[in-house]
Amino acid sequence: AQKITQTQPGMFVQEKEAVTLDCTYDTSDQSYGLFWYKQPSSGEMIFLIYQGSYDEQNATEGRYSLNFQKARKSANLVISASQLGDSAMYFCAMRVGLNFGNEKLTFGTGTRLTIIP
Amino acid sequence: ETGVTQTPRHLVMGMTNKKSLKCEQHLGHNAMYWYKQSAKKPLELMFVYNFKEQTENNSVPSRFSPECPNSSHLFLHLHTLQPEDSALYLCASSMTWREGRGTDTQYFGPGTRLTVL
Repeated sequence: AQKITQTQPGMFVQEKEAVTLDCTYDTSDQSYGLFWYKQPSSGEMIFLIYQGSYDEQNATEGRYSLNFQKARKSANLVISASQLGDSAMYFCAMRVGLNFGNEKLTFGTGTRLTIIP
Repeated sequence: ETGVTQTPRHLVMGMTNKKSLKCEQHLGHNAMYWYKQSAKKPLELMFVYNFKEQTENNSVPSRFSPECPNSSHLFLHLHTLQPEDSALYLCASSMTWREGRGTDTQYFGPGTRLTVL
């Protein structure tokens, strides 16, 4: 069975500071993908960043980077220079397998990030 | 319209009503998903459709009935729901390759906030 653990239910961060959101995962599969999504109060899940299990480099997308430590099974999201608009719920998710029919995403319980002006 | 759209955005219904949720994707994807998001619980996958064929039914009660007439549209028909079915229902879509390369990132709609009285 696959499992995603996000141990920080809530975080408060000063504007313009960097923030790290923790995510650990558990799977016995060798091929998997890790995702981060942002969910503002409006409800939409917004895709932020993806890391494949065979990717050697950490993924980066603008102010977002994924600190992938495979041996520790962690995939932390780092947001540099936080902005007020970053206040939202953040979900870590994992897709196991790379074969047709194994598209299931397993989500963590999320972290509510609040940016303080 | 762009991305993934969902209607209605909000729905209040009695336990004896019949209603339908609609999802439409404008991304050229061929896989569509229904998720349920309840308060303080991880996102739960309900149904998966690949190329209009249902490939996943995650032990969902029969009072939820999905329909996928084509790769761009997905419906969730609701009847005789219970108050515990109140939740945010999210639709997502992704690209799937028939040759077994797995799916691409899932993109979500804004969700339908359902309240069952």
